[in-house]
Amino acid sequence: DAGVTQSPTHLIKTRGQQVTLRCSPKSGHDTVSWYQQALGQGPQFIFQYYEEEERQRGNFPDRFSGHQFPNYSSELNVNALLLGDSALYLCASSLSLRFYEQYFGPGTRLTVT
Amino acid sequence: QQPVQSPQAVILREGEDAVINCSSSKALYSVHWYRQKHGEAPVFLMILLKGGEQKGHEKISASFNEKKQQSSLYLTASQLSYSGTYFCGTVFADNYGQNFVFGPGTRLSVLP
Repeated sequence: DAGVTQSPTHLIKTRGQQVTLRCSPKSGHDTVSWYQQALGQGPQFIFQYYEEEERQRGNFPDRFSGHQFPNYSSELNVNALLLGDSALYLCASSLSLRFYEQYFGPGTRLTVT
Repeated sequence: QQPVQSPQAVILREGEDAVINCSSSKALYSVHWYRQKHGEAPVFLMILLKGGEQKGHEKISASFNEKKQQSSLYLTASQLSYSGTYFCGTVFADNYGQNFVFGPGTRLSVLP
């Protein structure tokens, strides 16, 4: 049973650039949520996708956008990168537009220089 | 709107018990508990729903006081594998629908 996978593992970008992160949910899951985790802090909810639409959103600016594909995989896009966007980006999958029992992927470490 | 967790850190000997608390100023739909080991992804432990339903791992127990918007995670007869950072996550309504906010975490170290 494949768990949640994310790519790439690490990424280094320059301030002002754009980045795309990818996530494949656990088999059987249809809902994908994205989180940003700064060093030493808890994950912060960015948004949640279900049926290819953004359904819930945390307190993040419009520079953060996403997409969900028919196979339930998802992308997180961040435009106009800031130094403060450096963090671990976690993807979590669950079932039926709920936050219940989320399975997290290993994350993508983004460094903005 | 971030929940408050206490204590910030705790050190135990194997076999000892611990309680981790989580408190929110929001009216909660549910409280979730996760454990994250260094360099790894958070792992689901328990969910407590408004109305009393609970779901989680057998060896984990927790409570949710809906009137006070407080939850506690009970770790009994701790094992070395319990070490890690414990996060509570809270789900509540906001202008956009539902929001999910994690607490700052409680670092637990279990020593032999």
